[in-house]
Amino acid sequence: DQQVKQNSPSLSVQEGRISILNCDYTNSMFDYFLWYKKYPAEGPTFLISISSIKDKNEDGRFTVFLNKSAKHLSLHIVPSQPGDSAVYFCAGIQGGSEKLVFGKGTKLTVNP
Amino acid sequence: DAGITQSPRHKVTETGTPVTLRCHQTENHRYMYWYRQDPGHGLRLIHYSYGVKDTDKGEVSDGYSVSRSKTEDFLLTLESATSSQTSVYFCAISESRWTGILNTEAFFGQGTRLTVV
Repeated sequence: DQQVKQNSPSLSVQEGRISILNCDYTNSMFDYFLWYKKYPAEGPTFLISISSIKDKNEDGRFTVFLNKSAKHLSLHIVPSQPGDSAVYFCAGIQGGSEKLVFGKGTKLTVNP
Repeated sequence: DAGITQSPRHKVTETGTPVTLRCHQTENHRYMYWYRQDPGHGLRLIHYSYGVKDTDKGEVSDGYSVSRSKTEDFLLTLESATSSQTSVYFCAISESRWTGILNTEAFFGQGTRLTVV
């Protein structure tokens, strides 16, 4: 059973526009969520996170929104830049066990 | 950069041989994880550790074992490597702290590319 789902395998946007990456989860025990960016042949790098008691967290061009009732979170990148082209992973951490579970990722392509 | 080192970075091995991958951290984080990344599957959790000698299975643990005898080291062993275990393996560490609100940080190593022929 996939606890974290990223239903869009890929997304393509124009430079300067907004990128919206979506993530759904089924485990109501998740109390923290993280987003990672991954370039080929590198390890995932941490991007932004949000506690389950918040509904929004912002860091520069990156904003994460959490809708607990819908078990849905999204990552907004504004404005998108070609260097943002990468695979983005959403992850949830289960309180208590600290088990860190990832989605399958969404490949973002930002076109100049 | 977080202090996580994976070794080796690349390995080619033959089917049926044992293989051990090492993850070493200098951050003194309590939690450590092993993942494998495969096309179409994202990052799948193999095993994780919540302290010295404390480990638990992830979603794809069959064929793998782990050990953690020290806080800084987490070893992943393939007892008898198979071609289906050809993958890129990532180690991660995490720690949660209260700063008025729960704040969790989790970082990854650079990965080990394992090929089983």
